[in-house]
Amino acid sequence: AQSVTQLDSQVPVFEEAPVELRCNYSSSVSVYLFWYVQYPNQGLQLLLKYLSGSTLVKGINGFEAEFNKSQTSFHLRKPSVHISDTAEYFCAVSSAWDFGGYNKLIFGAGTRLAVHP
Amino acid sequence: GAVVSQHPSWVICKSGTSVKIECRSLDFQATTMFWYRQFPKQSLMLMATSNEGSKATYEQGVEKDKFLINHASLTLSTLTVTSAHPEDSSFYICSARYYEREGPVGGHEQFFGPGTRLTVL
Repeated sequence: AQSVTQLDSQVPVFEEAPVELRCNYSSSVSVYLFWYVQYPNQGLQLLLKYLSGSTLVKGINGFEAEFNKSQTSFHLRKPSVHISDTAEYFCAVSSAWDFGGYNKLIFGAGTRLAVHP
Repeated sequence: GAVVSQHPSWVICKSGTSVKIECRSLDFQATTMFWYRQFPKQSLMLMATSNEGSKATYEQGVEKDKFLINHASLTLSTLTVTSAHPEDSSFYICSARYYEREGPVGGHEQFFGPGTRLTVL
């Protein structure tokens, strides 16, 4: 079984400042990792994902994340945030093993990013 | 590509009535669909997983008779909240993924619908 911990429930930051949203996971098997963003009253949009290969993953809207296997982390970063980045961010993990269509996504509790002018 | 729609986007109903929510994959065949529930300021809670043509697999604690899931085709899954009560008020989100012979696409990536806000009076 997998679990995900997002260490910060809220992250306030000023516009154009850098930001890091932290995510740690636990799993006894290899995993795939995802970051999703949710704007108010909307579904989830994929920001980026790590499947294999380079541990630095670049996503949409200028976000990137680094997979650190030894620390079981997958922190999300952006060098300069905008007001429009204000949203809820969810880290998620899935087993890399194939369960024939039944692979679940396990979500963290979410981090509310609030960008202030 | 990989667009998922939900209908309705919001619904208000009286206590005791049943409500059906549709989830459609618009440009791909969804071999697996998932239904989530999200309370305000909380994460997504997986309710059930459904594969086309077979019965849904419900998560522990989710009432099968309360939340009826039908995945009759590769592009449509429905969630029916039967005899809804105020405590069923929530944001319901579906997601879909497709599975090909070469293996799961995109690392089991799920494509999410925009959600349905259910309010039971």
